[in-house]
Amino acid sequence: QKEVEQNSGPLSVPEGAIASLNCTYSDRVSQSFFWYRQYSGKSPELIMSIYSNGDKEDGRFTAQLNKASQYVSLLIRDSQPSDSATYLCAVNVSPNYGGSQGNLIFGKGTKLSVKP
Amino acid sequence: EPEVTQTPSHQVTQMGQEVILRCVPISNHLYFYWYRQILGQKVEFLVSFYNNEISEKSEIFDDQFSVERPDGSNFTLKIRSTKLEDSAMYFCASSPLMGDRGSKNIQYFGAGTRLSVL
Repeated sequence: QKEVEQNSGPLSVPEGAIASLNCTYSDRVSQSFFWYRQYSGKSPELIMSIYSNGDKEDGRFTAQLNKASQYVSLLIRDSQPSDSATYLCAVNVSPNYGGSQGNLIFGKGTKLSVKP
Repeated sequence: EPEVTQTPSHQVTQMGQEVILRCVPISNHLYFYWYRQILGQKVEFLVSFYNNEISEKSEIFDDQFSVERPDGSNFTLKIRSTKLEDSAMYFCASSPLMGDRGSKNIQYFGAGTRLSVL
């Protein structure tokens, strides 16, 4: 059973602080990793994608990938109250073959609360 | 900015009835997906579709479910005889051809259809 694990939280940080969100996955052949943000009652919105070991930065967001440890993280710098949402880690678990690009396996999400 | 469009936003139906959920993927995308999210639970993969056929499906996607691309723009999910446990948010997603402008199966989600089975 391929699994993606996240701490459900809630994670509470003060405005302006760094929020650190973590995710582990079980399938070693996973190739693509994504962080989505989901506001209550809304659809997942892509925040970051990462495919290689190391860090990838985009504005206030940094994704980190360690394939040896099967670990993905998301750092949010200068956290804002508008960042309060559930953050979903998603992993593409299928290798590409034929007509398949694979599907996403999601974690349960970490609820982030940024206090003003 | 192009987006995935889903209709209706909310569907209420009686147990045993058939429902069709509709999606218009982003126009130049070639891969289409359905996911569902039961209230308070994780997003779960149902089915992927490419080149007018199912690419992959999960255990959830049993004989009660079917997908279709009836024309060049719409992508539908049909549930033949709804059960109470089918109540969930259903998300459609699409992605471009692998490797297009460096994308690697980046899936863009529609706003979802909330299905309520009474």
